[in-house]
Amino acid sequence: DTGVSQDPRHKITKRGQNVTFRCDPISEHNRLYWYRQTLGQGPEFLTYFQNEAQLEKSRLLSDRFSAERPKGSFSTLEIQRTEQGDSAMYLCASSVTGLSTDTQYFGPGTRLTVL
Amino acid sequence: GENVEQHPSTLSVQEGDSAVIKCTYSDSASNYFPWYKQELGKRPQLIIDIRSNVGEKKDQRIAVTLNKTAKHFSLHITETQPEDSAVYFCAVPLTGGGNKLTFGTGTQLKVEL
Repeated sequence: DTGVSQDPRHKITKRGQNVTFRCDPISEHNRLYWYRQTLGQGPEFLTYFQNEAQLEKSRLLSDRFSAERPKGSFSTLEIQRTEQGDSAMYLCASSVTGLSTDTQYFGPGTRLTVL
Repeated sequence: GENVEQHPSTLSVQEGDSAVIKCTYSDSASNYFPWYKQELGKRPQLIIDIRSNVGEKKDQRIAVTLNKTAKHFSLHITETQPEDSAVYFCAVPLTGGGNKLTFGTGTQLKVEL
């Protein structure tokens, strides 16, 4: 499978715990995006990387959230001291920059439930 | 920031009929307009996109039309089939570069036999 992959697919945690998600983009895609999707809503942008550089973070991304892409390939999203409001689907997408606007391909998501 | 409005929120059609979903946006500089289909519990999948240098694009039963003057774009599905039932999202790039997307609120399409 050469698409975007995410791990784990589901995560249940207790409030206050830390969680980390991983995203593996399509090979050679230099841009990687994180979005959050709650039930009945469209995905909301959180942050994105070009290669290993994190270029922008949404104001939705509180200080408890941190993302990395250390070698410009896979990325991790960590949430510290989880809250019930963090429960959502966390989606990763990747794209390759080119002469025209790049097209984003999404992974299957990690569904987080905070009890 | 960019604002996207999507209508209708739900749409029910008979198999074989056409379906149209419309989105309006606020930033006149927007130049890329993708549509995603999301089945229950699955990832959003790009079904068609259009760039601002064209007014219409077709791919088999799916088409997208763009009116830059009025700042709206629409998804057209002809000869609908039960497997077209899903949630459809339009999106436009947020301001500030990087092609990060802002999505509409989605349209739940149900194709009835």
